[in-house]
Amino acid sequence: KAGVTQTPRYLIKTRGQQVTLSCSPISGHRSVSWYQQTPGQGLQFLFEYFSETQRNKGNFPGRFSGRQFSNSRSEMNVSTLELGDSALYLCASSSGTGNTEAFFGQGTRLTVV
Amino acid sequence: AQKVTQAQTEISVVEKEDVTLDCVYETRDTTYYLFWYKQPPSGELVFLIRRNSFDEQNEISGRYSWNFQKSTSSFNFTITASQVVDSAVYFCALEGRVSITGGTSYGKLTFGQGTILTVHP
Repeated sequence: KAGVTQTPRYLIKTRGQQVTLSCSPISGHRSVSWYQQTPGQGLQFLFEYFSETQRNKGNFPGRFSGRQFSNSRSEMNVSTLELGDSALYLCASSSGTGNTEAFFGQGTRLTVV
Repeated sequence: AQKVTQAQTEISVVEKEDVTLDCVYETRDTTYYLFWYKQPPSGELVFLIRRNSFDEQNEISGRYSWNFQKSTSSFNFTITASQVVDSAVYFCALEGRVSITGGTSYGKLTFGQGTILTVHP
């Protein structure tokens, strides 16, 4: 069974640009959650998608957005990048019905310069 | 609001020592799940255990064991006879149920700040 796949693994962007990260969940999983990990703030929840609908959202500005496709793959977009957006972005895949654990991808390391 | 506190920021032990990582949580939910994840240098969060709030039985898996005490809101993790390969950052996490229009949402994990475990040969 293939795991959670995140692409790309590494990204370097300039302030003001936008970026799109991708996450392919485990086959059969309908929920994808996104997390931001920084040394200062730790792991913080961004949002969760289930069956193409955003079900839950963390406390991040509107520059952070996402979507989920009919095949459960999800994308996360960050517009007008700031230096503080440099982080490891992790995506988690689960059934979304509360009866399974969340499995994480290896993350996308975003550096904003 | 939910909160997870891992009291130890860093722990350093010598191989074969036992080590316990503490985790204390706060939630108003009556049904919730507790997790431990391991994060090696590669960055991926590796799932270790998931525990339902109604199941207070301790669990042992090889050298790993977990002690869940609802009365003290704690979910501690012990590694017996530690090995160098156990060196990593360990996270305790809480998942509650969130009522939303049309049902209940899962999928939001609240993490502790993590404990950096270093096992020296």
